[in-house]
Amino acid sequence: QVQLQESGPGLVKPSQTLSLTCTVSGGSISRGGYYWSWIRQRPGKGLEWIGYINYSESTNYNPSLQSRISISVNTSESQFSLKLNSVTAADTAVYFCARDTPVRGGSTFDPWGQGTLVTVSS
Amino acid sequence: DIQMTQSPSSLSASVGDRVTITCRASQSISNYLNWYQQRPGKAPKLLMFAASNFQSGVPSRFSGRGSGTDFTLTIASLQPEDFATYYCQQSYSLPHTFGQGTKLEIK
Repeated sequence: QVQLQESGPGLVKPSQTLSLTCTVSGGSISRGGYYWSWIRQRPGKGLEWIGYINYSESTNYNPSLQSRISISVNTSESQFSLKLNSVTAADTAVYFCARDTPVRGGSTFDPWGQGTLVTVSS
Repeated sequence: DIQMTQSPSSLSASVGDRVTITCRASQSISNYLNWYQQRPGKAPKLLMFAASNFQSGVPSRFSGRGSGTDFTLTIASLQPEDFATYYCQQSYSLPHTFGQGTKLEIK
């Protein structure tokens, strides 16, 4: 059973770069057909898809964040990573990683990591 | 971007009640609609995909319907573990977008 686990600093200073890693276990990150997504949830708010990558480094980003984000993959370590630069307090959120799984009728986010809270503050 | 609008935003109900949550897309998304359940402090959990298909392990009291722009999630007889927040999400086009959530609370 595939499991995902986020890791990274819980506190980032304004204007700096937020960096998170998601480690995939129980299955291959290199298996074709899957995309590996980052999703965030600001305090008391809904869910926002940030972007995704596949094993061959094909990416797609949310236009609302595109100018500030970069997602990369390290297949040898079974990890994918998020960098969000020039952060402000508005980037304070729980960040989730999830597998974007194709299904009959689109795709789904399943499974998810447990999430990690990142606070932007000086 | 496709906007997803859920109603109601919150709902109070009792164990055993039948409840329905509505999700409307700003344009047609065929049946490319998923539902998630999120309990406090936890990651969302996939309930239903492609509008009406159960994810493995989801109780049969949950059901989903709809196509095009209008979708519903119904819980036939609420159980204590069903009190949570529910989100719809479209996978018809990028960026993937979610509804704002419906918080289901105990009356």
